[in-house]
Amino acid sequence: KQEVTQIPAALSVPEGENLVLNCSFTDSAIYNLQWFRQDPGKGLTSLLLIQSSQREQTSGRLNASLDKSSGRSTLYIAASQPGDSATYLCAVVNSGGSNYKLTFGKGTLLTVNP
Amino acid sequence: DGGITQSPKYLFRKEGQNVTLSCEQNLNHDAMYWYRQDPGQGLRLIYYSQIVNDFQKGDIAEGYSVSREKKESFPLTVTSAQKNPTAFYLCASSTNQGSDEQFFGPGTRLTVL
Repeated sequence: KQEVTQIPAALSVPEGENLVLNCSFTDSAIYNLQWFRQDPGKGLTSLLLIQSSQREQTSGRLNASLDKSSGRSTLYIAASQPGDSATYLCAVVNSGGSNYKLTFGKGTLLTVNP
Repeated sequence: DGGITQSPKYLFRKEGQNVTLSCEQNLNHDAMYWYRQDPGQGLRLIYYSQIVNDFQKGDIAEGYSVSREKKESFPLTVTSAQKNPTAFYLCASSTNQGSDEQFFGPGTRLTVL
């Protein structure tokens, strides 16, 4: 059974700092890995999608890497801003199954202080 | 605008009542999903549908039912058999390719009175 773990559970940083969020998964047979952002009481916003054959994806100040063999991904946020404050969720889609459900970690709650 | 809509945003249920949450998408996606989110837990899959008129149970389907009569719509009914229904419910859709992105709606918060 796939399990996804995110470390740390919460992170507080001053504005302008570069930071890294970590995600690990137990079964490396995946189609892809997605990073999401969730603001309080809101739905999920997709940030980056990394296919199983890719090593990284970039969007603006965000860079996500994937090491499938070791079951790890990182989300790097450069020059953090107070508007980046949210919960960040990592999720994977397993290959070889009968559906494409996402298995989620519990998230990292990020606070960027002005 | 293409996207996923969910209604209502907030829903209150009395004990013994069935309630239905709406999910509509105009992304022309074949696959749709319902997830439940509880504080301190990851999202968990309730039901999914990969094509019209077909749906399958997810990890926590007990006390829930769904239908998929149209490609655009995937309503979720929370029945009185669901003993702990207070949660945030999220609907998602995607193509039927495992490598493709899933898109999420804004969610419905259900509270039992």
